[in-house]
Amino acid sequence: QVQLQESGPGLVKPSDTLSLTCSVSDDSINFAHWWGWVRQPPGGGLEWIGYIYHTGSTYSNPSLKSRLSMSVDTSRNQFSLRLNSVTAHDTAVYYCARTYGSGSDAFDIWGRGTMITVSS
Amino acid sequence: QSVLTQPPSVSAAPGQRVTISCSGSSSNIGDRHVYWYQQRPGTAPKLLIYDNYKRPSGIPDRFSGSKSGTSATLDIAGLQTGDEADYYCGSWDNSLNAGVFGGGTKLTVL
Repeated sequence: QVQLQESGPGLVKPSDTLSLTCSVSDDSINFAHWWGWVRQPPGGGLEWIGYIYHTGSTYSNPSLKSRLSMSVDTSRNQFSLRLNSVTAHDTAVYYCARTYGSGSDAFDIWGRGTMITVSS
Repeated sequence: QSVLTQPPSVSAAPGQRVTISCSGSSSNIGDRHVYWYQQRPGTAPKLLIYDNYKRPSGIPDRFSGSKSGTSATLDIAGLQTGDEADYYCGSWDNSLNAGVFGGGTKLTVL
């Protein structure tokens, strides 16, 4: 059973950089899937952040693109997100997820999510 | 303001059928696949429908999806109390070159 697990700081100060890592188990990050991020503010809906392929190719939400970077570490079977200059608007549950296949945009496997609060 | 538009809420009695709509444009639903997710409180979203109408393994056939033009629908038949959840549609937007979601629909099973 493929599992994804997010890890992050929980609390980030305004203007700092948020770093999240997603660890993938029982699947190789080198297989034909895109590995992505979705966030959900408290009481709000889902927001697509972006996804990355094991080759390093990425697609990002245009509203976040200037602050966002994503990377993949195939040796550790992990992928990561960095979002700089965070504000209170970035407070949300952040999920990592896997697409159904390399030709699909649907996320079929999700992590449990990690709550990130931006506050001083 | 979500790119895809869903009704905020729908409700129906146990055993009945409910339809949730998702409206988009030619740059997303009109040209790309639609996906549907179910999210129960405090849990991660769960994929119900992909590629407009296909169900992942383990999803009962009470859940069905369809697409016509720039709109899509999720039908849930034989409603159960366990179906109470938020439902989100998703797609790809060619203009944004990014994934997009609807605002979500809260299903209440009366």
